[in-house]
Formats: sequence, structure tokens, C-alpha cells
Amino acid sequence: DTEVTQTPKHLVMGMTNKKSLKCEQHMGHRAMYWYKQKAKKPPELMFVYSYEKLSINESVPSRFSPECPNSSLLNLHLHALQPEDSALYLCASSQESAGEVGEQFFGPGTRLTVL
Amino acid sequence: GEDVEQSLFLSVREGDSSVINCTYTDSSSTYLYWYKQEPGAGLQLLTYIFSNMDMKQDQRLTVLLNKKDKHLSLRIADTQTGDSAIYFCAEQSGGYQKVTFGTGTKLQVIP
Repeated sequence: DTEVTQTPKHLVMGMTNKKSLKCEQHMGHRAMYWYKQKAKKPPELMFVYSYEKLSINESVPSRFSPECPNSSLLNLHLHALQPEDSALYLCASSQESAGEVGEQFFGPGTRLTVL
Repeated sequence: GEDVEQSLFLSVREGDSSVINCTYTDSSSTYLYWYKQEPGAGLQLLTYIFSNMDMKQDQRLTVLLNKKDKHLSLRIADTQTGDSAIYFCAEQSGGYQKVTFGTGTKLQVIP
């Protein structure tokens, strides 16, 4: 199984809502990532988890809260978002081995619209 | 920070070769990658090159690396309509978990 799955595919939420994005992989990867991608732009790294611990937070606002309940799952909890947070949110995973090719496997993304 | 730069758009005829260029920023990058993104989908790794190589060939794909100029290119031979997508170069820098993506090149293949 070389797939990263993400749910939901699409999400529309108001600025006062609380919602969560979910990501799952069963490749035994120990590094998992959240990226944000605006239209016609490259993905921007938000968070990296390594062995279920947060290792990189790219100064992301606290209205985005990541969680890694186990080595296969990654969540992104959303609260009090702004319309400018509307984007495609991509999850990825990779082997956790320094010095090796860091191929990241991407999920199809969640298209988020904040009204 | 500095951007990893790519030209925005490339249009080629089916059967021709495509060359997508990238200028990266970190001379200490260990690996450089090419990813493909089709509409509404995530990114898919096409190929990569280690920084001590200057060329890598993988079937229809050829990657050239000029470390002195920090220039990377991807050549696709015999381009097909299924190659139409956005192509991102990416550099691995600031630690092996951190990958910075280029601005992306939209490849349009005309039948």
C-alpha cells in the first residue's frame, strides 16, 4: 500500500466553526507533513512530525493545531479560521532516515473554503 | 526568503521534447527533486538527483544539474498529452525533512 489518504476531499466552514482534517498512511513511514497550497502556488510547509513528535512548525498561526495520535495518522484541527486560509491542504509522509532520498508521498489533499 | 524559481508556462507539441528549468537557492542542498501535480491531485515524485551528480536519466526523463549556477533542468522526451501538468522542482535543505518547492511550471501538450 503506497497510498496516503485524506478526508474529507472538500470542506466548507464558517469562521466560527471547528473542524478537523485527517490523513492516514500504512507504509510504515515515521515522518508526516502538512502543507498548504494556494492556487497557482507551490506547497508551503506547515508542520512536520517525526516519530509522532512535532519536529517542525513553520510559524503557523495557533488556529491550526496538528496532532499525531499514532504513526499512521495525522490530524489538523481548525478553529476560528479566516477566509485567507482557504486553500488545498496536503498531507505527505516519508521514511525517517537522514542521508537518504527524502521522497515524500502525497495525499490528494483537502480543498478548504472558509466563508 | 528567496524563491526557487521556475518559468510559469511551457507549451509543446505532442512528440516533441520538453525542457523545464529551475534555479534553486541553497548550494548545500543534498537532493533535488522533480514533482508532478495533475489538476485536483497531490504531488507525485518523478525523479531526483543527488548533488554530487550532474546528470541522471530515467526512461523518458533526463535531469541535468549545474551546481555552479544552481541550475536544474528536466527534459521529457517524446512528450505525451498525459504529461500535461504542473511540474515543481524542489530542494532538500535546512535538514532532510524540509523540502522547498519551486514556483511551478505548467506544461501544456498540444495534440
